[in-house]
Amino acid sequence: ETGVTQTPRHLVMGMTNKKSLKCEQHLGHNAMYWYKQSAKKPLELMFVYNFKEQTENNSVPSRFSPECPNSSHLFLHLHTLQPEDSALYLCASSQVLAGGPETQYFGPGTRLLVL
Amino acid sequence: GQQLNQSPQSMFIQEGEDVSMNCTSSSIFNTWLWYKQDPGEGPVLLIALYKAGELTSNGRLTAQFGITRKDSFLNISASIPSDVGIYFCAGTGMEGGGADGLTFGKGTHLIIQP
Repeated sequence: ETGVTQTPRHLVMGMTNKKSLKCEQHLGHNAMYWYKQSAKKPLELMFVYNFKEQTENNSVPSRFSPECPNSSHLFLHLHTLQPEDSALYLCASSQVLAGGPETQYFGPGTRLLVL
Repeated sequence: GQQLNQSPQSMFIQEGEDVSMNCTSSSIFNTWLWYKQDPGEGPVLLIALYKAGELTSNGRLTAQFGITRKDSFLNISASIPSDVGIYFCAGTGMEGGGADGLTFGKGTHLIIQP
């Protein structure tokens, strides 16, 4: 595997279900991100992890719970979601350098449908 | 919060034509990135700009980081069918040395008519 991978690619869940999205980066990066992409809206940053520590939670509801066990893996745990949470969830990673800019690379996304 | 205004929202062009799109912001950004997204896929990085005034090319693509650090444009020369997709500008405001989420524009949907 190369780059950033995400599983599953598609997910349908009921509002009472619990599911998890998985992201893995094979680039040796030290920062990972979750974004939400809804129709007709810009990509929205959800969470940022830098060296496995969560550094940003962009006012995301608690029904979304991220987990970063190491710098290569990132999870998004979902529970009691709402239909309006249906969207494409994108994972990204970057290499953060002291004093330098960083570029983010994206995975293919998980298309989530909440019924 | 920071916002990026991207235009045009969509473009209908003939194959072989040149394309130009741009992004503006009321805030200063320290990095500008241009991505392309195909249906069902994640955004793919096209060009990264790190310095105000910087002009960078990648094949038929050329992008510039505005001198005020509040705007950027992307040009595509001699468009071909595989250029079809949605193009996003994105910026990050942090000087560097920390992970910073990207702020995205709403995208420019490029459609090429044969």
